Amino acid sequence: GAGVSQSPSNKVTEKGKDVELRCDPISGHTALYWYRQRLGQGLEFLIYFQGNSAPDKSGLPSDRFSAERTGESVSTLTIQRTQQEDSAVYLCASSLSGGGFGELFFGEGSRLTVL
Amino acid sequence: QKEVEQDPGPLSVPEGAIVSLNCTYSNSAFQYFMWYRQYSRKGPELLMYTYSSGNKEDGRFTAQVDKSSKYISLFIRDSQPSDSATYLCAMSALSVPDNYGQNFVFGPGTRLSVLP
Repeated sequence: GAGVSQSPSNKVTEKGKDVELRCDPISGHTALYWYRQRLGQGLEFLIYFQGNSAPDKSGLPSDRFSAERTGESVSTLTIQRTQQEDSAVYLCASSLSGGGFGELFFGEGSRLTVL
Repeated sequence: QKEVEQDPGPLSVPEGAIVSLNCTYSNSAFQYFMWYRQYSRKGPELLMYTYSSGNKEDGRFTAQVDKSSKYISLFIRDSQPSDSATYLCAMSALSVPDNYGQNFVFGPGTRLSVLP
């Protein structure tokens, strides 16, 4: 596709379950970011990939959160043993290169609800 | 103090009004300033960007940066109901290493409603 694709668009899960969120960035974009957006709040940085490497994982809120990227393309964000405070929209963005320059292209997000 | 501050609104204006959206920031290293627009249940999309200080105009939209005051603004002229969205300011220092992921710092967003 032409844009960043995220799946699932909506996920409702029970507390304690694991969830996987997927991001398909724009082809050729080496930089990939995951953000979390809680209701009525701004974007909270989670993790940054340059190619398949994650040089900056500083935003991951706990060791229940992990992410990987393969083939310099698809990325998966995994949340283990979900808690109610994990409920949020998880946004993925890609960019031609990192370094704080250029446009971030966002997907529509995965809306996670933990009951 | 947060690195980027923005009035969350909501801001309601009548169609045709001039809208002023603002952000203040604390990091003097920021050089690249952006405005993203986010429609409900959609991802943010880049609306405008500027480097350093000055104004930039694009149709009904004008972005203004005052680095001496650490203050940026987005003006919308002749506002339309289709402008109803959340507007997020974002900033970057540009000179950070490529392995630094928090290059882009976002404000919390201002929710705007333009009433017909």
